[in-house]
Amino acid sequence: QVQLVQSGAEVKKPGASVKVSCKASGYTFTDYYMHWVRQAPGQGLEWMGWINPNSGATNYAQKFQGRVTMTRDTSINTAYMEMSSLTSDDTAVYYCARGGGSYAYWGQGTLVTVSS
Amino acid sequence: EIVLTQSPGTLSLSPGERATLSCRASQSVSSSYLVWYQQKPGQAPRLLIYGTSSRATGIPDRFSGSGSGTDFTLTISRLEPEDFAVYYCQQYGSSPPYTFGGGTKVEIK
Repeated sequence: QVQLVQSGAEVKKPGASVKVSCKASGYTFTDYYMHWVRQAPGQGLEWMGWINPNSGATNYAQKFQGRVTMTRDTSINTAYMEMSSLTSDDTAVYYCARGGGSYAYWGQGTLVTVSS
Repeated sequence: EIVLTQSPGTLSLSPGERATLSCRASQSVSSSYLVWYQQKPGQAPRLLIYGTSSRATGIPDRFSGSGSGTDFTLTISRLEPEDFAVYYCQQYGSSPPYTFGGGTKVEIK
């Protein structure tokens, strides 16, 4: 069965960077884009971007360009989302979701807390 | 960027009642690319409806979707206790960003 397993919660100071991983199993990793979505506490869902695991090509929401980098390691079927220059506004749960149109499969989410 | 506006923000209903949720787009969205998700506290979103009206695997038939152009609707025919949650629409057109609506919370009256 398809599974997306994300790395654990992180606490970071303002100005730091964070890297969240998403390990895929149960399907051919390179056949589907991986998307990232975040959700601030008590807020809605916000689309961040995607990576094509086959080519490494990426597409980021304009809001995150220059601050987010999505990468992948096909040898271990894992996608990564790295965000730099964190502020308290980046405190959120970060989800990976398998693309291919709608998101039928989601990771469990990774809480990133930015606090001094 | 296509902006999706969901209404109402909160819907207070009793089990057994019918729920009608609206999702309005700032410009036309292909029916193929409009989806609905359900989210419960502490959980990842769950795909309910894709392509405006197709139910995802395992979704009961009390959930239905309709609409076209800029106006889309999610209907829950008879609310079950497990249906009280937040619902989001999303569009993923030919080019990003793939925006979400702000959500509608369906709460027990």
